Amino acid sequence: SQTIHQWPATLVQPVGSPLSLECTVEGTSNPNLYWYRQAAGRGLQLLFYSVGIGQISSEVPQNLSASRPQDRQFILSSKKLLLSDSGFYLCAWRAGGQTSNQPQHFGDGTRLSIL
Amino acid sequence: AQKVTQAQTEISVVEKEDVTLDCVYETRDTTYYLFWYKQPPSGELVFLIRRNSFDEQNEISGRYSWNFQKSTSSFNFTITASQVVDSAVYFCALSDPGAGSYQLTFGKGTKLSVIP
Repeated sequence: SQTIHQWPATLVQPVGSPLSLECTVEGTSNPNLYWYRQAAGRGLQLLFYSVGIGQISSEVPQNLSASRPQDRQFILSSKKLLLSDSGFYLCAWRAGGQTSNQPQHFGDGTRLSIL
Repeated sequence: AQKVTQAQTEISVVEKEDVTLDCVYETRDTTYYLFWYKQPPSGELVFLIRRNSFDEQNEISGRYSWNFQKSTSSFNFTITASQVVDSAVYFCALSDPGAGSYQLTFGKGTKLSVIP
């Protein structure tokens, strides 16, 4: 069966420091991968998605970036964190392909606090 | 543009009461998919159900049931005999077949509190 791992679970970082959050998926090939942020409210904001290795699409301009160095690895990064980057970050995967009926499956999330 | 509206921001019920969470969507697509997710206090989103646009049969899974009505663009979720473990934020979502990423458009969520 497929599993998704996301780490770290919690992170406290000072303003201006770099960031690296990692997400890996097991048990599937060529998944679509997603990074979301959930700020103080409850809405989910799509940040990045990837349909293949090295293919990254950004939904919201910001100081964050994403990379997909391997088929089942998705990394969220920043060179200099801002206070506004605080939030709950969720990674998700769905089966790749041409149909839109597949649900996305989410990791446990990373709670990021910027001081 | 796709849109999902969950008008109920927060709902509180006493344990064993039934509760219905509303979801209204907008789309120009004739084929689309709707989803419900549960986010318990621990934070992870748990997939509950998927429904396609050409199947309007209601679905029941234990205490959960879903009522899909294409005529009113609604996909409501009912919990029967609610329990404390049902306390969570529930999200309704709509697929976007027009986008290469097969993105989901999420509603803002409904926070359900079940009081013992």
